This record gives sequence, structure tokens and C-alpha cells, in this order.
Amino acid sequence: GENVEQHPSTLSVQEGDSAVIKCTYSDSASNYFPWYKQELGKRPQLIIDIRSNVGEKKDQRIAVTLNKTAKHFSLHITETQPEDSAVYFCAASIQRNTPLVFGKGTRLSVIA
Amino acid sequence: DVKVTQSSRYLVKRTGEKVFLECVQDMDHENMFWYRQDPGLGLRLIYFSYDVKMKEKGDIPEGYSVSREKKERFSLILESASTNQTSMYLCATLGRGSYNEQFFGPGTRLTVL
Repeated sequence: GENVEQHPSTLSVQEGDSAVIKCTYSDSASNYFPWYKQELGKRPQLIIDIRSNVGEKKDQRIAVTLNKTAKHFSLHITETQPEDSAVYFCAASIQRNTPLVFGKGTRLSVIA
Repeated sequence: DVKVTQSSRYLVKRTGEKVFLECVQDMDHENMFWYRQDPGLGLRLIYFSYDVKMKEKGDIPEGYSVSREKKERFSLILESASTNQTSMYLCATLGRGSYNEQFFGPGTRLTVL
């Protein structure tokens, strides 16, 4: 089955700097790659996603890139702010009705 | 707006007790999931259901069972709770119209003494 590896497990950046979180997946049939943000004490929420027919997607300060050949995808956050501090999870799935397989998460701390 | 609720935010049970965790959604979603979340291990799938009375094992089903008698309700059952089942339990539903976006409940933090 699918296996998703996520790195780093923790990341500290200064406010205003960029943060990058990387994930690799094992199943070349995977075609949907979402990113979830979980703030302390709250539920995970989708922040951005990408499908395999697209190489990059942006939404304001966040962007996701996908390299299908290498089977990896990354989350980029620019101009980080303290409210970006959270745990971020990447995930992958093969088709619509199959469960997401999650990475182990990255705890991002933005230092003011 | 999707609403996914879980019966308890915090629960304390004793070893050997039968524990029921309930999840209710109000958006008529066919697909529902139960995960447990542990530090450093991420979100691990316990069971999922595509329809009423239907269930599939996830990655870590041992020690758990589920019930889906109605479309809006998905219950996770710990037949005989053990201390290694102390964890955060998250329910999720699969959004219709979005490819595979899952909407999560607020979670139940279960402590087994």
C-alpha cells in the first residue's frame, strides 16, 4: 500500500522567513496530495491540495509543488507569521473513495 | 458549512471497560473514517465506512470495532479498553464535490487508566 514520508518532523523559522516541508510517496498511482494544518487543540483543516495533472499551485503565501517522476511534493510558506505555527500533515490518495494516507506531521514554530 | 461532531472531547475509562466513541455529521456524506493521533506517529486509520452497515479495516484495526447503522453516525468501539489505547481519536468525513477533502471532527482525548 501507499507510504508517505514527511520531513522534517520539527521546523523553527524566524518570522518573515520561508518554511519548506517535504513529503515523498511510494505508490505511483497516487494522484491527489492535500496538506492539512492543525493548530494546537484544534482539528486538522485542509489548507491546500494538488492533483497529479498540475505541477504547482499557489494560494497567497502558501504553495505546493509536485514532482511525479521523483514522487515527492512540498509545501512552501513565505513571509511566515506567528499564526502559521502549527502541525502540518501531508497526505496522498489513489482515487476519490480511498482513504488518505498521512505523513507523520511537521511541527512548525514561527519565532517572532 | 460541514459539521462533524464527536460525543465527547475528553473521556477517562478504566482498563477492560467497553468504550463507545460516536461521530455525527450533518452533510449526508457517504464516507466516514476513524483515526487515532499520537505524537510522532501522525494520523493512523483505524476503520472506515463507505455506506450504511459497511465497514473496512484500516491500518490499525486491532482492538477496535465500528458500527454504522445510520448514514450520519459512525461509532468506534473499544471492546475491552487497554492503556495502549490512550490517544486522541479523530473522526472524519469525505466531502462531496471536493476530490478527496476530509472534514474532521474536534477529536476525543481518551485516557485509559
